[in-house]
Amino acid sequence: GESVGLHLPTLSVQEGDNSIINCAYSNSASDYFIWYKQESGKGPQFIIDIRSNMDKRQGQRVTVLLNKTVKHLSLQIAATQPGDSAVYFCAATRGGKIIFGKGTRLHILP
Amino acid sequence: GAVVSQHPSRVICKSGTSVKIECRSLDFQATTMFWYRQFPKKSLMLMATSNEGSKATYEQGVEKDKFLINHASLTLSTLTVTSAHPEDSSFYICSAPAEGTLQYFGPGTRLLVL
Repeated sequence: GESVGLHLPTLSVQEGDNSIINCAYSNSASDYFIWYKQESGKGPQFIIDIRSNMDKRQGQRVTVLLNKTVKHLSLQIAATQPGDSAVYFCAATRGGKIIFGKGTRLHILP
Repeated sequence: GAVVSQHPSRVICKSGTSVKIECRSLDFQATTMFWYRQFPKKSLMLMATSNEGSKATYEQGVEKDKFLINHASLTLSTLTVTSAHPEDSSFYICSAPAEGTLQYFGPGTRLLVL
């Protein structure tokens, strides 16, 4: 079955540095991946997505990389800011449903 | 972007009572909505798929008689936690797809059962 998991539960990054959050998935049939940001007490907020026919996609200050060979994707946040502090989830679609990974808490150091 | 709302945002109830949570798509129609549950410091777990005009489909391990879902219109799905117990205390989140595969999530409902 599908499972999506994250390598690290917590990531501490100095303000201004780049953040890299990693995610592994198990179902090679997954063709659409999404990164979400969740602040405390709120619902998930869409950050960026990527389809399986791509290996890189860039947004504003964020980049998602997809390596289908090793079933791995990552989220890179450039020049991390205090407002980036949150839990980040990778997710993959399965039959129209979105399945979430475990989440990584991003902590910004002053 | 599209907006999904939930009501109430938080609810406290006594054990044994039933609680209804509403999920609305405010500026688009959704024939399908999804309900998730999230325990503290955990990920979102998909509970069920709400289908307008037909029965909901539940994920494995989710009791359909415990979590009643009604998708009465193209903009409203409700989740009723029947005979709630303290272990049902959680953060319940709904989502609805718009613009193809892109899904929008509601702000969540915090349920505390005493």
